[in-house]
Amino acid sequence: SYELTQPPSLSVSPGQTARITCSGDEMPKKYASWYQRKSGQAPLLVIYEDSRRPSGIPERFSGSSSGTMATLTISGAQVDDEADYYCYSTDTKGEHRGIFGGGTKLTVL
Amino acid sequence: QVTLKESGPVLVKPTETLTLTCTVSGSSLSNAKMSVSWIRQPPGKALEWLAYISANDEKSYTTSLSNRLTISKDTSKSQVVLTMSNMDPVDTATYYCARTYCSSPSCYDNYMDVWGKGTTVTVSS
Repeated sequence: SYELTQPPSLSVSPGQTARITCSGDEMPKKYASWYQRKSGQAPLLVIYEDSRRPSGIPERFSGSSSGTMATLTISGAQVDDEADYYCYSTDTKGEHRGIFGGGTKLTVL
Repeated sequence: QVTLKESGPVLVKPTETLTLTCTVSGSSLSNAKMSVSWIRQPPGKALEWLAYISANDEKSYTTSLSNRLTISKDTSKSQVVLTMSNMDPVDTATYYCARTYCSSPSCYDNYMDVWGKGTTVTVSS
Protein backbone atom coordinates (compact mmCIF):
# COMPACT_ATOMS: atom_id res chain seq x y z
CA SER A 1 0.00 0.00 0.00
CA TYR A 2 1.05 3.58 -0.62
CA GLU A 3 2.92 5.31 2.21
CA LEU A 4 4.12 8.80 3.01
CA THR A 5 7.26 8.93 5.14
CA GLN A 6 8.13 11.75 7.54
CA PRO A 7 10.90 12.02 10.12
CA PRO A 8 9.42 11.36 13.59
CA SER A 9 10.92 14.43 15.18
CA LEU A 10 12.80 17.66 14.55
CA SER A 11 14.19 20.15 17.00
CA VAL A 12 15.21 23.74 16.25
CA SER A 13 15.98 26.85 18.25
CA PRO A 14 13.69 29.88 18.03
CA GLY A 15 14.50 31.91 14.93
CA GLN A 16 15.99 28.97 13.06
CA THR A 17 14.53 27.42 9.94
CA ALA A 18 12.68 24.13 10.30
CA ARG A 19 12.33 21.89 7.27
CA ILE A 20 10.02 18.91 7.49
CA THR A 21 10.08 16.40 4.67
CA CYS A 22 7.49 14.00 3.32
CA SER A 23 8.49 11.36 0.81
CA GLY A 24 6.29 9.17 -1.36
CA ASP A 25 6.71 7.44 -4.68
CA GLU A 26 3.61 9.08 -6.14
CA MET A 27 4.53 12.62 -5.06
CA PRO A 28 5.52 13.70 -8.58
CA LYS A 29 1.94 13.06 -9.69
CA LYS A 30 0.04 14.41 -6.69
CA TYR A 31 -0.31 17.53 -4.60
CA ALA A 32 0.70 17.52 -0.95
CA SER A 33 -0.90 19.46 1.86
CA TRP A 34 0.34 20.05 5.39
CA TYR A 35 -1.50 20.18 8.73
CA GLN A 36 -0.47 21.50 12.11
CA ARG A 37 -1.81 19.61 15.10
CA LYS A 38 -1.45 21.12 18.55
CA SER A 39 -2.47 19.24 21.64
CA GLY A 40 -6.19 19.49 22.28
CA GLN A 41 -6.90 21.23 18.98
CA ALA A 42 -8.19 20.12 15.62
CA PRO A 43 -5.67 19.93 12.77
CA LEU A 44 -5.08 23.20 10.93
CA LEU A 45 -4.30 23.41 7.21
CA VAL A 46 -1.06 25.38 6.75
CA ILE A 47 -0.10 24.53 3.15
CA TYR A 48 -2.14 23.12 0.27
CA GLU A 49 -1.38 22.19 -3.35
CA ASP A 50 2.32 21.82 -2.44
CA SER A 51 3.05 25.50 -1.86
CA ARG A 52 -0.09 27.57 -1.40
CA ARG A 53 -0.77 29.16 1.94
CA PRO A 54 -4.32 29.64 3.25
CA SER A 55 -5.32 33.08 4.39
CA GLY A 56 -4.39 33.70 8.00
CA ILE A 57 -1.35 31.42 7.96
CA PRO A 58 1.85 33.36 8.68
CA GLU A 59 4.26 33.94 5.81
CA ARG A 60 6.99 32.04 7.62
CA PHE A 61 5.19 28.85 6.55
CA SER A 62 6.03 27.75 3.02
CA GLY A 63 5.92 24.56 1.01
CA SER A 64 7.67 23.02 -1.95
CA SER A 65 7.78 19.75 -3.82
CA SER A 66 10.47 18.17 -5.96
CA GLY A 67 10.55 14.64 -7.25
CA THR A 68 9.32 12.23 -4.62
CA MET A 69 9.61 14.69 -1.73
CA ALA A 70 7.46 17.51 -0.41
CA THR A 71 8.88 19.91 2.16
CA LEU A 72 7.28 22.19 4.72
CA THR A 73 9.57 25.06 5.69
CA ILE A 74 9.07 27.28 8.72
CA SER A 75 11.41 30.24 8.41
CA GLY A 76 12.23 31.80 11.75
CA ALA A 77 10.39 29.20 13.79
CA GLN A 78 8.65 30.46 16.90
CA VAL A 79 7.88 28.69 20.15
CA ASP A 80 4.22 28.83 19.17
CA ASP A 81 5.01 26.67 16.11
CA GLU A 82 5.79 23.70 18.34
CA ALA A 83 3.33 21.03 17.22
CA ASP A 84 2.92 17.83 15.25
CA TYR A 85 2.94 18.32 11.49
CA TYR A 86 1.37 15.90 9.02
CA CYS A 87 1.62 15.73 5.28
CA TYR A 88 -1.32 14.46 3.24
CA SER A 89 -1.84 13.32 -0.30
CA THR A 90 -4.09 11.03 -2.28
CA ASP A 91 -3.71 7.60 -3.77
CA THR A 92 -3.03 7.59 -7.49
CA LYS A 93 -5.22 4.60 -8.22
CA GLY A 94 -8.07 6.66 -9.58
CA GLU A 95 -9.99 6.98 -6.34
CA HIS A 96 -10.38 9.64 -3.69
CA ARG A 97 -8.45 7.64 -1.11
CA GLY A 98 -6.38 9.87 1.13
CA ILE A 99 -3.27 9.16 3.14
CA PHE A 100 -1.39 10.93 5.90
CA GLY A 101 2.27 10.73 6.71
CA GLY A 102 3.26 9.45 10.13
CA GLY A 103 3.71 12.95 11.50
CA THR A 104 6.72 14.96 12.67
CA LYS A 105 6.97 16.33 16.19
CA LEU A 106 8.52 19.79 15.93
CA THR A 107 10.16 21.10 19.07
CA VAL A 108 11.18 24.75 19.22
CA LEU A 109 13.37 25.54 22.21
CA GLN B 1 -18.41 30.53 6.84
CA VAL B 2 -18.50 26.74 6.75
CA THR B 3 -18.41 24.89 10.06
CA LEU B 4 -18.56 21.18 10.84
CA LYS B 5 -19.47 19.49 14.09
CA GLU B 6 -19.08 15.84 14.98
CA SER B 7 -21.42 14.01 17.32
CA GLY B 8 -21.80 10.47 18.54
CA PRO B 9 -21.39 8.20 21.55
CA VAL B 10 -18.52 8.73 23.94
CA LEU B 11 -18.33 5.06 24.84
CA VAL B 12 -19.05 1.94 22.80
CA LYS B 13 -18.60 -1.71 23.64
CA PRO B 14 -16.45 -4.13 21.67
CA THR B 15 -18.26 -5.68 18.68
CA GLU B 16 -20.83 -2.86 18.62
CA THR B 17 -21.35 -0.58 15.62
CA LEU B 18 -20.30 3.06 15.96
CA THR B 19 -22.41 5.74 14.29
CA LEU B 20 -20.93 9.23 13.99
CA THR B 21 -22.67 12.27 12.55
CA CYS B 22 -21.06 15.33 11.00
CA THR B 23 -23.39 18.32 10.85
CA VAL B 24 -22.42 20.96 8.31
CA SER B 25 -23.37 24.62 8.58
CA GLY B 26 -22.80 27.44 6.13
CA SER B 27 -22.98 25.35 2.95
CA SER B 28 -25.17 22.76 1.34
CA LEU B 29 -23.91 19.20 0.91
CA SER B 30 -25.13 19.41 -2.67
CA ASN B 31 -22.65 22.22 -3.33
CA ALA B 32 -19.97 20.95 -5.70
CA LYS B 33 -17.31 22.19 -3.32
CA MET B 34 -18.76 20.38 -0.32
CA SER B 35 -17.09 17.00 -0.15
CA VAL B 36 -16.47 15.60 3.34
CA SER B 37 -13.85 13.27 4.76
CA TRP B 38 -13.58 11.46 8.07
CA ILE B 39 -10.23 11.20 9.84
CA ARG B 40 -9.29 9.76 13.22
CA GLN B 41 -6.38 9.97 15.62
CA PRO B 42 -5.83 7.29 18.28
CA PRO B 43 -4.09 8.49 21.45
CA GLY B 44 -0.39 9.00 20.79
CA LYS B 45 -0.67 7.96 17.17
CA ALA B 46 -0.84 9.62 13.76
CA LEU B 47 -3.80 10.97 11.86
CA GLU B 48 -5.53 8.29 9.81
CA TRP B 49 -7.77 9.06 6.84
CA LEU B 50 -10.90 6.92 6.89
CA ALA B 51 -13.50 7.82 4.27
CA TYR B 52 -14.75 10.38 1.77
CA ILE B 53 -18.05 11.36 0.19
CA SER B 54 -18.45 13.86 -2.62
CA ALA B 55 -21.24 16.26 -3.49
CA ASN B 56 -22.43 13.80 -6.16
CA ASP B 57 -22.26 10.88 -3.72
CA GLU B 58 -19.01 9.27 -4.81
CA LYS B 59 -17.51 7.35 -1.89
CA SER B 60 -14.10 6.05 -0.97
CA TYR B 61 -12.68 4.17 2.03
CA THR B 62 -9.30 3.40 3.47
CA THR B 63 -8.35 -0.07 2.29
CA SER B 64 -7.60 -1.53 5.72
CA LEU B 65 -11.07 -0.71 7.10
CA SER B 66 -13.19 -0.80 3.95
CA ASN B 67 -15.15 -3.85 5.11
CA ARG B 68 -16.18 -2.10 8.34
CA LEU B 69 -16.93 1.44 7.16
CA THR B 70 -19.97 2.99 5.55
CA ILE B 71 -20.29 6.68 4.71
CA SER B 72 -23.54 8.33 3.69
CA LYS B 73 -25.19 11.71 3.74
CA ASP B 74 -28.57 13.33 4.23
CA THR B 75 -28.47 16.56 2.26
CA SER B 76 -31.78 17.78 3.67
CA LYS B 77 -30.32 17.57 7.19
CA SER B 78 -26.82 18.73 6.15
CA GLN B 79 -25.39 15.64 7.79
CA VAL B 80 -22.72 13.12 6.84
CA VAL B 81 -22.85 9.82 8.71
CA LEU B 82 -20.01 7.36 9.23
CA THR B 83 -20.66 3.91 10.61
CA MET B 84 -17.93 1.55 11.73
CA SER B 85 -18.89 -2.00 12.58
CA ASN B 86 -17.34 -4.50 14.96
CA MET B 87 -15.63 -1.92 17.14
CA ASP B 88 -12.48 -2.90 19.02
CA PRO B 89 -10.46 -1.14 21.72
CA VAL B 90 -7.85 -0.25 19.08
CA ASP B 91 -10.53 1.95 17.48
CA THR B 92 -10.42 4.25 20.49
CA ALA B 93 -9.64 7.64 18.97
CA THR B 94 -10.72 11.19 18.33
CA TYR B 95 -12.77 11.23 15.14
CA TYR B 96 -12.87 14.30 12.90
CA CYS B 97 -14.89 15.29 9.88
CA ALA B 98 -13.47 17.85 7.48
CA ARG B 99 -14.52 19.68 4.36
CA THR B 100 -12.52 18.28 1.49
CA TYR B 101 -11.70 20.79 -1.19
CA CYS B 102 -10.92 19.55 -4.68
CA SER B 103 -7.77 20.66 -6.48
CA SER B 104 -8.95 19.05 -9.71
CA PRO B 105 -12.35 18.43 -11.37
CA SER B 106 -12.13 14.73 -10.54
CA CYS B 107 -11.17 15.54 -6.93
CA TYR B 108 -8.45 12.90 -7.10
CA ASP B 109 -6.29 15.71 -5.69
CA ASN B 110 -7.82 17.26 -2.60
CA TYR B 111 -7.14 18.69 0.82
CA MET B 112 -9.07 19.35 4.04
CA ASP B 113 -9.49 23.05 4.67
CA VAL B 114 -12.14 23.17 7.40
CA TRP B 115 -12.20 20.72 10.30
CA GLY B 116 -14.62 20.00 13.06
CA LYS B 117 -13.35 20.00 16.64
CA GLY B 118 -13.54 16.22 16.83
CA THR B 119 -15.35 13.76 19.03
CA THR B 120 -13.60 11.28 21.28
CA VAL B 121 -14.75 7.67 21.21
CA THR B 122 -13.61 5.05 23.70
CA VAL B 123 -14.15 1.37 23.05
CA SER B 124 -14.37 -0.61 26.26
CA SER B 125 -16.53 -3.21 27.91
